[in-house]
Amino acid sequence: EAGVAQSPRYKIIEKRQSVAFWCNPISGHATLYWYQQILGQGPKLLIQFQNNGVVDDSQLPKDRFSAERLKGVDSTLKIQPAKLEDSAVYLCASSPHSSNQPQHFGDGTRLSIL
Amino acid sequence: EDKVVQSPLSLVVHEGDTVTLNCSYEVTNFRSLLWYKQEKKAPTFLFMLTSSGIEKKSGRLSSILDKKELFSILNITATQTGDSAVYLCAVKVEDDKIIFGKGTRLHILP
Repeated sequence: EAGVAQSPRYKIIEKRQSVAFWCNPISGHATLYWYQQILGQGPKLLIQFQNNGVVDDSQLPKDRFSAERLKGVDSTLKIQPAKLEDSAVYLCASSPHSSNQPQHFGDGTRLSIL
Repeated sequence: EDKVVQSPLSLVVHEGDTVTLNCSYEVTNFRSLLWYKQEKKAPTFLFMLTSSGIEKKSGRLSSILDKKELFSILNITATQTGDSAVYLCAVKVEDDKIIFGKGTRLHILP
């Protein structure tokens, strides 16, 4: 079974620029998560999708962050404009809906803001 | 507010030692507790616990959940340098929401 695919692996931009990340979950997984992981901390949930609907985006800084999962499969996360404190690893994870199965993570995108 | 607290935040031991990592939680609508190991990349799944008192075991790693006292422990026996990693505890609640702790950074000295 193919895992969660994310791209790019690394991204370096200057503050105030825009950036987008892409995630393709495991086939058949209805639930998709985006996390932000700052160095030395646990993953912090940004947004959770159930198919193409948003379940939880309470911790998403909506003035600069946006995410979509239009067809209920792959997803994009965008930051516009980026700030220095956005430097982090952005992890995508997926799991089957309402199951006793764990979520599986992609390798993440490491974002550095100059 | 749902929260997951791990302790210690960091731990350094010698190869061959046994370690116990702790995870306590305060959440509404608990569904399961998960342990992950994170090295340089994405977290990899270790255990999922849903019932109290039933130990899950995989090689030198084991974990158990106490739903009355709201905590879980992860044990690693005969530690090896390859066990050096951040160990993350997470709790799954309703609507498949998952809350992570900050992790325990474990370093095994040769």
